[in-house]
Amino acid sequence: DVKVTQSSRYLVKRTGEKVFLECVQDMDHENMFWYRQDPGLGLRLIYFSYDVKMKEKGDIPEGYSVSREKKERFSLILESASTNQTSMYLCASSLWGVGGNTEAFFGQGTRLTVV
Amino acid sequence: SQQGEEDPQALSIQEGENATMNCSYKTSINNLQWYRQNSGRGLVHLILIRSNEREKHSGRLRVTLDTSKKSSSLLITASRAADTASYFCARRSGTYKYIFGTGTRLKVLA
Repeated sequence: DVKVTQSSRYLVKRTGEKVFLECVQDMDHENMFWYRQDPGLGLRLIYFSYDVKMKEKGDIPEGYSVSREKKERFSLILESASTNQTSMYLCASSLWGVGGNTEAFFGQGTRLTVV
Repeated sequence: SQQGEEDPQALSIQEGENATMNCSYKTSINNLQWYRQNSGRGLVHLILIRSNEREKHSGRLRVTLDTSKKSSSLLITASRAADTASYFCARRSGTYKYIFGTGTRLKVLA
C-alpha cells in the first residue's frame, strides 16, 4: 500500500515563527502536492512538484515556499507564520500517468494553529 | 474559480437509503475523480472516470459523467452509518494538478 506520512497531526506555532511541514511518500511517485483545507473553501493547491528540485506555484502560494531535495520528501515552509495560515494542511502524491489517469494518495493531514 | 462545485453542500439520509451527490466543473477534463474524507483525516480515492466513459461502478458506488453538461454524479446505494463522511470531486486537466470541489457532507443516520 502507498503510504504518505506527514510529520505532525497537530501543530501550534506563534506568529512570526518559521514553520516546516514535512511529507514523505514511499512509492516512488513523481508528483507531490501541498493543499490547505478551510471550511467552505474546499482544498486549495499551494504548491506542487513534478520532480526533484522542480516546483510550481498552485493557486495560493503567497506566504509559503517548498523544498524537494529528494524524490520521496516534499516540505512546505511558512516563512513567517500568520494567524490567517491557521488551517488543515494536506500532502498528496501521485504517479505521472499517461493522460493523468492516476489517483492521488493523501497523508493524514496536519492541523496547524498559529497564535 | 477553477474549483468544481458539489451539490448539495450537506445531505442527511437514513441508513439503507441511496445518496446522490453532484459535481459540476467549468473546463475540459482528462478524468474526474471522487474522494472521501472522514472527519479530520486525509482524503481517500474512491473512483476515477475518464472523459470518454459515461458510467462506472465500484461496489456500492456508481459514478456517471456527462461531458456535454460538464457534470458528474456519485451514487452510494444502500448507505450505511460508516459512509458518513465528506465527498469531493476532483478534476484533472493535464498531468499535474488535481482541482477539488468544495465537497458534500454526508450524514447517514442509523
